[in-house]
Amino acid sequence: DAGVIQSPRHEVTEMGQEVTLRCKPISGHDYLFWYRQTMMRGLELLIYFNNNVPIDDSGMPEDRFSAKMPNASFSTLKIQPSEPRDSAVYFCASSLFQGMGAFFGQGTRLTVV
Amino acid sequence: GQQLNQSPQSMFIQEGEDVSMNCTSSSIFNTWLWYKQDPGEGPVLLIALYKAGELTSNGRLTAQFGITRKDSFLNISASIPSDVGIYFCAGPLTGAQKLVFGQGTRLTINP
Repeated sequence: DAGVIQSPRHEVTEMGQEVTLRCKPISGHDYLFWYRQTMMRGLELLIYFNNNVPIDDSGMPEDRFSAKMPNASFSTLKIQPSEPRDSAVYFCASSLFQGMGAFFGQGTRLTVV
Repeated sequence: GQQLNQSPQSMFIQEGEDVSMNCTSSSIFNTWLWYKQDPGEGPVLLIALYKAGELTSNGRLTAQFGITRKDSFLNISASIPSDVGIYFCAGPLTGAQKLVFGQGTRLTINP
């Protein structure tokens, strides 16, 4: 398996624009996670899915953020409208079962100017 | 909320030296995970610990699940240049699948 695949690797956008980040989890993994990493706050869990269903979105910073998982092999994280403070590296991760360590993608580095 | 405190925050060592870092929490964890992150990459799982007192090795890495369930240790023996990176401890919040991460230990190795 190729591991967790994220796209794009880098995204530069202007404030106010919509941004969509994409993730393909490892095949067969039932859990999918979206994390954000910044120098100030470290790695923060934004939302996670189990069997395509959002379980906990308490980490989503505000209504500008939304995430979907239409099927077992694809998820998106959308920011609309984007703001400079959203600049961070966004990671998608997946795991096979509860309690197992998650496997991370390479991340999307988002810069909002 | 539950937090994981890692120490030290950074380490500067000579190649060949052994490294020790730890992670503590005020809450009990049933699983401890150790990750390594290289620049520009996502965290990579190194070792997973599932039982209090467990000692697990992965090559030159050894990790232990503290008997109190509130701490864990990671040791690296005979460090080499490719060990450079940031090491994170992590654990799932009790009763949930959510992983919380420590702040990381940044390891720098002088050749």
